[in-house]
Amino acid sequence: DSGVTQTPKHLITATGQRVTLRCSPRSGDLSVYWYQQSLDQGLQFLIQYYNGEERAKGNILERFSAQQFPDLHSELNLSSLELGDSALYFCASSGDRGRPSTDTQYFGPGTRLTVL
Amino acid sequence: AQSVSQHNHHVILSEAASLELGCNYSYGGTVNLFWYVQYPGQHLQLLLKYFSGDPLVKGIKGFEAEFIKSKFSFNLRKPSVQWSDTAEYFCAVNTGFQKLVFGTGTRLLVSP
Repeated sequence: DSGVTQTPKHLITATGQRVTLRCSPRSGDLSVYWYQQSLDQGLQFLIQYYNGEERAKGNILERFSAQQFPDLHSELNLSSLELGDSALYFCASSGDRGRPSTDTQYFGPGTRLTVL
Repeated sequence: AQSVSQHNHHVILSEAASLELGCNYSYGGTVNLFWYVQYPGQHLQLLLKYFSGDPLVKGIKGFEAEFIKSKFSFNLRKPSVQWSDTAEYFCAVNTGFQKLVFGTGTRLLVSP
């Protein structure tokens, strides 16, 4: 158990819909990262938040957005869903204890999103 | 942009066989390197990491990896695999911008 929690575990929805995925980082970790794992794209970095602020952006679609709240949990919002958005969405957290390049990311169990 | 290559997509071994999974990255500067493992139906778990110092890194469950800077490689090894090592293995690079760049993964199947 990494200490990172994600809900829900599974989500099935229809095209055009909007969903919210939730992540709680390890206790004390300030950074939260979102990754998408799909069969054709592999594991891709989406976005990072640090202490409530967006820090880095990867291959995140405009239909997707995220935020990190004062209690440090994060939500990933996916809207206007398409079949191709079906994937496993992982959240990771790290401590950023003054040495950001050497902080290890710990991953949550993921949310499996199926768009029908 | 930095990238990570894992050339072996599928590996099948018998128990007690030795394992070596290749990982090459493309980035000319300082890198931090990781191997993660994903057991069936589970989340990514850190096996080992390299930041600096001794290029031979020992991780959990008997795994080790060697950083060879001149070859831009960070191959994962285990002298004797077990059936429980059946999983998908991901090599990842962090170039200081925090985000991890992952390889495509290697699926390892160990037959008893």
